[in-house]
Amino acid sequence: EDQVTQSPEALRLQEGESSSLNCSYTVSGLRGLFWYRQDPGKGPEFLFTLYSAGEEKEKERLKATLTKKESFLHITAPKPEDSATYLCAVQAQHNQGGKLIFGQGTELSVKP
Amino acid sequence: SAVISQKPSRDICQRGTSLTIQCQVDSQVTMMFWYRQQPGQSLTLIATANQGSEATYESGFVIDKFPISRPNLTFSTLTVSNMSPEDSSIYLCSVPAGGAYGYTFGSGTRLTVV
Repeated sequence: EDQVTQSPEALRLQEGESSSLNCSYTVSGLRGLFWYRQDPGKGPEFLFTLYSAGEEKEKERLKATLTKKESFLHITAPKPEDSATYLCAVQAQHNQGGKLIFGQGTELSVKP
Repeated sequence: SAVISQKPSRDICQRGTSLTIQCQVDSQVTMMFWYRQQPGQSLTLIATANQGSEATYESGFVIDKFPISRPNLTFSTLTVSNMSPEDSSIYLCSVPAGGAYGYTFGSGTRLTVV
């Protein structure tokens, strides 16, 4: 069964304190792994797509990496505006229709 | 990427009634997806809506409870029927964003059933 597990469930950081969020996945053939940011009362906002082990993507203070079993979202010198819930999702090769399997998310709080 | 307008943004409904949620996309898309996000839970796919054909429902979701319409390539509705408090969730629609941009989501409908 395809499955995604994110850790930690919640993370509190001081402004400037770098850290990483983990996404462990089990899928029968990975078509793509997605990272989203979700602010309260809003829909998920796309951040990155990763397709194969060893791939890395960067955007401002965020960097996503991928191995065969997990993905990390590294946050460098975070700011309070980075506070949000970060969601990880996978799409399986056998799923031609676009179904995403989501993890439960990591709620990030960055204090000034 | 596509922009989605989802309505209503929130509603409080009496048990036993139905609510219809609308999603309008600013470009034509073949597939539209409907997700549910229960409190403290991850997003779960309800169904995939293709224009001109019946929606495809995921295990645990049935058409009588969540009927979907897809009259054209830019619009879809999801109805939550005969609601109970367990249906209190955020409902989201989604469409492919194209290329490596994954999927775009609407802003969600926060439903509370009392």
